[in-house]
Amino acid sequence: AQKITQTQPGMFVQEKEAVTLDCTYDTSDPSYGLFWYKQPSSGEMIFLIYQGSYDQQNATEGRYSLNFQKARKSANLVISASQLGDSAMYFCAMRQDSNYQLIWGAGTKLIIKP
Amino acid sequence: NAGVTQTPKFQVLKTGQSMTLQCAQDMNHEYMSWYRQDPGMGLRLIHYSVGAGITDQGEVPNGYNVSRSTTEDFPLRLLSAAPSQTSVYFCASSYSTGGPGGELFFGEGSRLTVL
Repeated sequence: AQKITQTQPGMFVQEKEAVTLDCTYDTSDPSYGLFWYKQPSSGEMIFLIYQGSYDQQNATEGRYSLNFQKARKSANLVISASQLGDSAMYFCAMRQDSNYQLIWGAGTKLIIKP
Repeated sequence: NAGVTQTPKFQVLKTGQSMTLQCAQDMNHEYMSWYRQDPGMGLRLIHYSVGAGITDQGEVPNGYNVSRSTTEDFPLRLLSAAPSQTSVYFCASSYSTGGPGGELFFGEGSRLTVL
């Protein structure tokens, strides 16, 4: 069965440091996509980055990059040069191309310290 | 720049009451979905639709109904509210159902309390 695991319920990071948020997944489907979303305290869900299972290169979007290790079934989010505004909940999600459902991890609460 | 619009933002119901959460998107997305978010559990899919006239159940469909008569609208109906349905509800849509373009665009959420 497909599953997403985020093992870090919470993290504290000093401002300007890099942050790695862990995500492992389980699927038997060879074709799938991995997503990261940010949820600030205001509650909205903000799409950050996408990685396809057949993509040869790790996805990058500005300060966000995805460390995709397919054999290990991990898709960690890396935030470079963290900012106070990065404090939020971060969710990893997976969508198998054989069905339409996005499966979500429980999230990691990231707090950036000044 | 409306995107996905959900109403109401807040609602308090008594056990046994019914209500409809409205969701509309103006991006011509075929895929629409409803999630509930409970503390410590991430998001769970309630129902989804891949186009007008087509709906299907997600992970936690019991107690909820949906319909999709137009591409734009995807209302969620609570038939007989129960305290277990106290949650934050999100409507989301996407351009495609897989691959690039499959990222979801979310509404602002609706906080529902059932007493």
